[in-house]
Amino acid sequence: DTAVSQTPKYLVTQMGNDKSIKCEQNLGHDTMYWYKQDSKKFLKIMFSYNNKELIINETVPNRFSPKSPDKAHLNLHINSLELGDSAVYFCASRRDTTQETQYFGPGTRLLVL
Amino acid sequence: ELKVEQNPLFLSMQEGKNYTIYCNYSTTSDRLYWYRQDPGKSLESLFVLLSNGAVKQEGRLMASLDTKARLSTLHITAAVHDLSATYFCAVDEHFGNEKLTFGTGTRLTIIP
Repeated sequence: DTAVSQTPKYLVTQMGNDKSIKCEQNLGHDTMYWYKQDSKKFLKIMFSYNNKELIINETVPNRFSPKSPDKAHLNLHINSLELGDSAVYFCASRRDTTQETQYFGPGTRLLVL
Repeated sequence: ELKVEQNPLFLSMQEGKNYTIYCNYSTTSDRLYWYRQDPGKSLESLFVLLSNGAVKQEGRLMASLDTKARLSTLHITAAVHDLSATYFCAVDEHFGNEKLTFGTGTRLTIIP
């Protein structure tokens, strides 16, 4: 059973297109996150949601819009894709206790041509 | 802005040797995490360190946290090839929100 899943795993698209990445967790966790990992492997948080409420909203272009229809899902929609958006996007989730770590999904490899 | 620095960035070592990866951070925090990432894969949680002086060990890996020095170490004992991966430390700067700031990563290669 996959704990944190993402679809699609790979996404190749043209500049200017709009695309969505879906994330689902079956762990019953309270908080979900989106991270971007660039070509140098640097990881940076983009957003987090706690029980459908936006908690962290880092300085990302407003072309990126997260949506959380319920506690188990956090999707990422990207408008007007640019070359610089090419990266691996990771979803993560965490239970709200002090001892818990974040559990990461398998990643979505986005390539913008 | 919180800065998290790891060194070295690249580490190539022979099997059987010991080595330490260092993680320095710039602001007060008592929550630090270590993750492992294999090429093309996701991040796997290794350790959660939640207080000054915390030490955790799993197999050949041992992690420690010194919040006064703002330093965490990941020590590798008698390295084996299976430990080849990229290791990240991450610091939580907002207790409760769990906003993690990741280090630059250390790419570890174990040579037989």
